Amino acid sequence: AQRVTQPEKLLSVFKGAPVELKCNYSYSGSPELFWYVQYSRQRLQLLLRHISRESIKGFTADLNKGETSFHLKKPFAQEEDSAMYYCALRVGTYKYIFGTGTRLKVLA
Amino acid sequence: ETGVTQSPTHLIKTRGQQVTLRCSSQSGHNTVSWYQQALGQGPQFIFQYYREEENGRGNFPPRFSGLQFPNYSSELNVNALELDDSALYLCASSLGGVTSGNTIYFGEGSWLTVV
Repeated sequence: AQRVTQPEKLLSVFKGAPVELKCNYSYSGSPELFWYVQYSRQRLQLLLRHISRESIKGFTADLNKGETSFHLKKPFAQEEDSAMYYCALRVGTYKYIFGTGTRLKVLA
Repeated sequence: ETGVTQSPTHLIKTRGQQVTLRCSSQSGHNTVSWYQQALGQGPQFIFQYYREEENGRGNFPPRFSGLQFPNYSSELNVNALELDDSALYLCASSLGGVTSGNTIYFGEGSWLTVV
């Protein structure tokens, strides 16, 4: 079965604390994984993709095929990171499977 | 560069009615996907259109149908509306087709409430 699991609906951290948003996937093929973010009153937008191996806004995510995970990390949370985060798996050439999302709240 | 635009932003329909939602792709994009996002859930893939042809479909019944026009804009039609169809409907566009995994860009969505 093709599935993306984000176990936490809400994650609250204090400003300056490390953040880790968990994502696990189930897929028999070669996975291509993404993190999308939705800030308040804004549209869903791409944050990063695993094939780029980039750091965006201080966030990184490493694909771990052994653990079938793609956790999103940031060493020091900022208040402006507060948003809804979705992990997504691209299946085939056209379909994305999204997790249910994690709301990150960064407290002052 | 013009982003993905959707209309209407909100609408209310009665069970059994039909609805049409519209989407204008980002400039230059020839591929459009539609997603349904129920409250508290992530977006779920409905279908994708590439150069006016449906080239992928998720687990949605045939009463969900779509069109893509020569200018790459798109419509999502839902017939015989049910209460569970109440959701945010997202349109996403990208450049490329069946062999491409290019980034998809989302619109702000159309909120549909079925009463």
